[in-house]
Amino acid sequence: AQSVTQPDIHITVSEGASLELRCNYSYGATPYLFWYVQSPGQGLQLLLKYFSGDTLVQGIKGFEAEFKRSQSSFNLRKPSVHWSDAAEYFCAVGAISSASKIIFGSGTRLSIRP
Amino acid sequence: DAGVIQSPRHEVTEMGQEVTLRCKPISGHDYLFWYRQTMMRGLELLIYFNNNVPIDDSGMPEDRFSAKMPNASFSTLKIQPSEPRDSAVYFCASSSDRVSGYTFGSGTRLTVV
Repeated sequence: AQSVTQPDIHITVSEGASLELRCNYSYGATPYLFWYVQSPGQGLQLLLKYFSGDTLVQGIKGFEAEFKRSQSSFNLRKPSVHWSDAAEYFCAVGAISSASKIIFGSGTRLSIRP
Repeated sequence: DAGVIQSPRHEVTEMGQEVTLRCKPISGHDYLFWYRQTMMRGLELLIYFNNNVPIDDSGMPEDRFSAKMPNASFSTLKIQPSEPRDSAVYFCASSSDRVSGYTFGSGTRLTVV
């Protein structure tokens, strides 16, 4: 069965510092991978997605993620965070063979230190 | 496009009452999903539809929960009777295909007292 793990529940970084949020997945087939962001009181917004091609994916708001098949990882990165990046971040995995069902990780809450 | 529209944004109801949550997906999206989000359990997929047909309802917690999609532009999630443990944020999302990712609504915060 497919699963996705976000090992960090809460991360705090200083404004202007770099960020990396970890995501590991488990799936036997070729995965689709996603990162979503949720601001307080809001729904989830798609940041970026990967399903084939270049393993380094660019997203909105200056985020990028790299797919590493050998490590079953899809970590999210940003070179310099802004206070507005404080939110909850969810990694998600789907599969080409499944009937369009995406499984979400438990989320990582990002706080920004002024 | 107005995005996925959910109503109401907040619902407070007494235990035992019927609750109906509503969702209007993005026009042209063939898939519709209902999720529940709680602190303890995170995001749980309750049910999803493809072309108005329920495909997987294995996440529906009990018979008290039911969902319908009478047409391509409207879906409901009903809880009858409601219980305090149903308190959560319920999200509707829609998608045009498997790979595009989902567009989420702003959610309905349900409180059952």
